[in-house]
Amino acid sequence: NAGVTQTPKFQVLKTGQSMTLQCAQDMNHEYMSWYRQDPGMGLRLIHYSVGAGITDQGEVPNGYNVSRSTTEDFPLRLLSAAPSQTSVYFCASSYSIGSRGNTEAFFGQGTRLTVV
Amino acid sequence: KNEVEQSPQNLTAQEGEFITINCSYSVGISALHWLQQHPGGGIVSLFMLSSGKKKHGRLIATINIQEKHSSLHITASHPRDSAVYICAVNRNTGNQFYFGTGTSLTVIP
Repeated sequence: NAGVTQTPKFQVLKTGQSMTLQCAQDMNHEYMSWYRQDPGMGLRLIHYSVGAGITDQGEVPNGYNVSRSTTEDFPLRLLSAAPSQTSVYFCASSYSIGSRGNTEAFFGQGTRLTVV
Repeated sequence: KNEVEQSPQNLTAQEGEFITINCSYSVGISALHWLQQHPGGGIVSLFMLSSGKKKHGRLIATINIQEKHSSLHITASHPRDSAVYICAVNRNTGNQFYFGTGTSLTVIP
């Protein structure tokens, strides 16, 4: 049981390049999400998915695309990287517990992305 | 204004000290989480609370729903406790999390 696997761990991109951050979970969680973490700020939600085929925007979606073709995978695409996207990215998967809907989350190891 | 506020932002303690990190939130929640992030590392869930108090080893987490406040305590702190501690909440609806900015803890031997 690997939990949430996120790759790569580090990446340097040139402005304008594109890339995909991979995220996979083996816990059969319906809910997956991507966050970015910047100095002095809490993690901010980029995009999320409540199940295969369903995605929605979070707080800071501009410049990012996602898709959810399977329950296990939730890749994050940067179409044209910009220096403002230099950040640490975390993928998370979660599930609800009990009738109150309390949610337990599992996080990937993070991707440190630098755009030059 | 952030829905989740943590204090202090930075904390330095001597090994063995009792440490408290505070979290206040301004929205209705179904649960509050305390997370730990080591330098350059991933994020690990320490506690999920919807009421009362939980204890795991030297870590204790409490929540007061009426006051919308939670505390994370570390007893007999150790240098390996040095990390960023993040408070996060689940809103009453949906699975989304809202995060505090984190408390950076350094425990000096």
